[in-house]
Amino acid sequence: DVKVTQSSRYLVKRTGEKVFLECVQDMDHENMFWYRQDPGLGLRLIYFSYDVKMKEKGDIPEGYSVSREKKERFSLILESASTNQTSMYLCAVQGGGQYEQYFGPGTRLTVT
Amino acid sequence: QKEVEQNSGPLSVPEGAIASLNCTYSDRGSQSFFWYRQYSGKSPELIMSIYSNGDKEDGRFTAQLNKASQYVSLLIRDSQPSDSATYLCAVNRGYSSASKIIFGSGTRLSIRP
Repeated sequence: DVKVTQSSRYLVKRTGEKVFLECVQDMDHENMFWYRQDPGLGLRLIYFSYDVKMKEKGDIPEGYSVSREKKERFSLILESASTNQTSMYLCAVQGGGQYEQYFGPGTRLTVT
Repeated sequence: QKEVEQNSGPLSVPEGAIASLNCTYSDRGSQSFFWYRQYSGKSPELIMSIYSNGDKEDGRFTAQLNKASQYVSLLIRDSQPSDSATYLCAVNRGYSSASKIIFGSGTRLSIRP
């Protein structure tokens, strides 16, 4: 199975800061996803990418942008962090002809 | 109507019994189905995939799919305290160049000793 790593397990940022969350996979899978997970709201898709420099908006892209310059790396950017972006952020990877998605360990982001 | 629906629980099952988790989905065109286990504070971990009608067994886990009824279930035999977690049902709609998965909100399972 693919191994997915995320840059931080816990992160605390101030309102208005620019925040970078990074996700790296150890395979050559095409598709990478960013979700956020909040109690009572479940997993919600923010953005996904199906190839280098390709991206598509998910269900809640507002306030976020993404970057995929290399196949193994997918970054989520919060241009100006706000308190309502406090959440667990999960990166997932899919590919190799399979439909399964494999998750990284997650980043618990707190914006104060 | 949510695309993927699960009873939020908590579902309490005695140790050693069978835990039965259910999920319904709304899109008849859905192609593949997954069960993820998520411990508190951790990320989801894939435990079962199922693509065709019927049962699929893997150790103590059995996934069941009925496309006509748009119903997926997960049975956990000989439940252990370590099975206490939230179980997410997920459905792949199978269109677009990147296959997006829709997740249910999860069922919280508690195994009591």
